[in-house]
This record gives sequence, structure tokens and C-alpha cells, in this order.
Amino acid sequence: AQTVTQSQPEMSVQEAETVTLSCTYDTSESDYYLFWYKQPPSRQMILVIRQEAYKQQNATENRFSVNFQKAAKSFSLKISDSQLGDAAMYFCAYRSPRQTSGSRLTFGEGTQLTVNP
Amino acid sequence: GAVVSQHPSWVICKSGTSVKIECRSLDFQATTMFWYRQFPKQSLMLMATSNEGSKATYEQGVEKDKFLINHASLTLSTLTVTSAHPEDSSFYICSSRHATNEKLFFGSGTQLSVL
Repeated sequence: AQTVTQSQPEMSVQEAETVTLSCTYDTSESDYYLFWYKQPPSRQMILVIRQEAYKQQNATENRFSVNFQKAAKSFSLKISDSQLGDAAMYFCAYRSPRQTSGSRLTFGEGTQLTVNP
Repeated sequence: GAVVSQHPSWVICKSGTSVKIECRSLDFQATTMFWYRQFPKQSLMLMATSNEGSKATYEQGVEKDKFLINHASLTLSTLTVTSAHPEDSSFYICSSRHATNEKLFFGSGTQLSVL
């Protein structure tokens, strides 16, 4: 079974600064997807960024980028120019190919990000 | 973008009663829906996976007779918590897999409080 580990329960960053959230995972599969989700106080799950394992290029979405190290099974999220609205719980998630488990997501424990003004 | 409507957003019930939570994909068909449970400051734990027209697959440790899942159409799945007890109090979230692009979309969640 796949596991996802987020070793930072809490992180804080100053507004306009950069912060990196860590995530490692364990799998024997070669093809999979990785995601970062944001869960603000409203508790709505919001997709931040996704990465296909077969792609070597790191995904980028505006101020959000990832550092995907497939051999090391590491998938960190970098938030640049942090804004107050970035404050939330961030979950790293792993998704198997559809044919192996129906596309279920396995989530890490989460990292609570605080943005200080 | 695709919208998943989850109702109710919060519910309070007495111990021993049953509560039904609906998850509806408004503008797309969902072949598979997932139900998660989340305790305060914890991660989402998958409870069950439901495919339209077939029985749900429950994760280990989840009582299928207590958490009844029905996926009668490509746009609607329901989770019924039967004979609810205070320990069932939690935040429940559904997720739908788009039938065409296979992306996953989340509902807004339901906070269940059992007195």
C-alpha cells in the first residue's frame, strides 16, 4: 500500500516570503500522480497543483511550484511571495492509476501553514 | 469548473437516529465517488469507494452496515450514518471522479454532530 508522509505539522512564513512544504511517499508503482491540496478554514478542498510521475519537468502554477524527485520519492511544494490568503492546511496526496485502485487518493497528515503579516 | 454539491453542510442529530448525506455532481457524470472522514486537525481518511450501479467497497475497519452508501445514478451518491453515536461525530467529505477526464472534484463537506 502507498503511504504519504508530511513531517512538518506546522509551518509559518512572513508575508511576501517563500516557504517550502515537504512530502515524501512510498510506492512500488512507476506510474502515478501527486497532488497538493489546500484546505482553508472553510474546509473546502482546493487543488493547488498536480504532477504526473512520468513527467520530469516540475509543475508550476503561478506562485506555487513543486520539486519532484522521483528516485527519492519526494514531492515538496514551494510557495513564493506568500500571501495572507495562503494560510491553510496543506495536504500532499498520492493517486494510483485508475486500473489499480480506482483513482483513490491517499493523503498525508497535513501541514498547517500560518502566514504572518 | 465542475461542481460537486454536498448537503447538508452541517447536521445535529440525537444518538440512535440516522442521517443521510447527499453528494451530487451538478454538471458532470461521475462513475466513481469516494467518501472520506476527517477528524479535527487530522487528515482525510477514505471510508469507501462507490461505483454507479454496484455495491460500495469499504476500507478496512469501516462498518458497511453502519455507513450505508448508495450510488444510484451517475450524478448522485448518498452516505447514511445509521444509528448514529457521538463517536460518529466528524466531518464527512465526498469526492467525485469525472467520467470523461477522470479528474477528482470535492464536495464542501458535512459536519455531523451527534448528541
